[in-house]
Amino acid sequence: EVQLVESGGALVQPGRSLRLSCAASGFTFSDFAMHWVRQAPGRGPEWVAGIGWNSGSIEYAGSVRGRFTVSRDNAKNSLYLQMNSLREEDTALYYCARAAVGLIGVLLRGEDYFDPWGQGTPVTVSS
Amino acid sequence: EIVLTQSPGTLSLSPGERATLSCRASQSVSSTYFAWYQQKAGQAPRLLIYGASNRATGIPDRFSGSGSGTDFTLTISRLEPEDFAVYYCQQFGTSPLTFGGGTKVAIK
Repeated sequence: EVQLVESGGALVQPGRSLRLSCAASGFTFSDFAMHWVRQAPGRGPEWVAGIGWNSGSIEYAGSVRGRFTVSRDNAKNSLYLQMNSLREEDTALYYCARAAVGLIGVLLRGEDYFDPWGQGTPVTVSS
Repeated sequence: EIVLTQSPGTLSLSPGERATLSCRASQSVSSTYFAWYQQKAGQAPRLLIYGASNRATGIPDRFSGSGSGTDFTLTISRLEPEDFAVYYCQQFGTSPLTFGGGTKVAIK
């Protein structure tokens, strides 16, 4: 069974840092691009960042570029999101999501629709 | 950035009725790079449709997608009780990947 399990969410003060992790199982992790998507309470999903199979292609949403860094460790079947200079508007449930297809594994080649998603880890930024 | 605008915001229907959901893009999107998701309360979104018209694995055939360019539609032919949820469209052809604001299908 394909499974994605996020961890690392917490309550943090503005300006602080946090690192999220996503443990993947049930599929060949190194074949697939991976993504982080967040959802603020009562809002729709917002794509945050994506990373290709070998970290050769990486993209960020404008709202997080320069503050967040996505990375992966294929040996550990894990995806990470380092979040620095956190703001109150970063408060959301953060989902790890797999690109639905792993034929190419590179971003923006038609594979970046998401299936499956993890259950999410909550991040609250507040003083 | 490609902005996706979904309408209506809320659709109030009864079980057995037909639901038609719209998603309009601010610029043309290849149908290859268009998807729909369903989200129920307290759950992660679930992939319904990819490539604008292809049902994901396990999705019943009462769900269908259509459209091209800037106008896309998700149709639920006969609403079942489990279909009352929020639906989101997504484009994944251009960075940043974007989602629509959602349409809530509510029980009338």
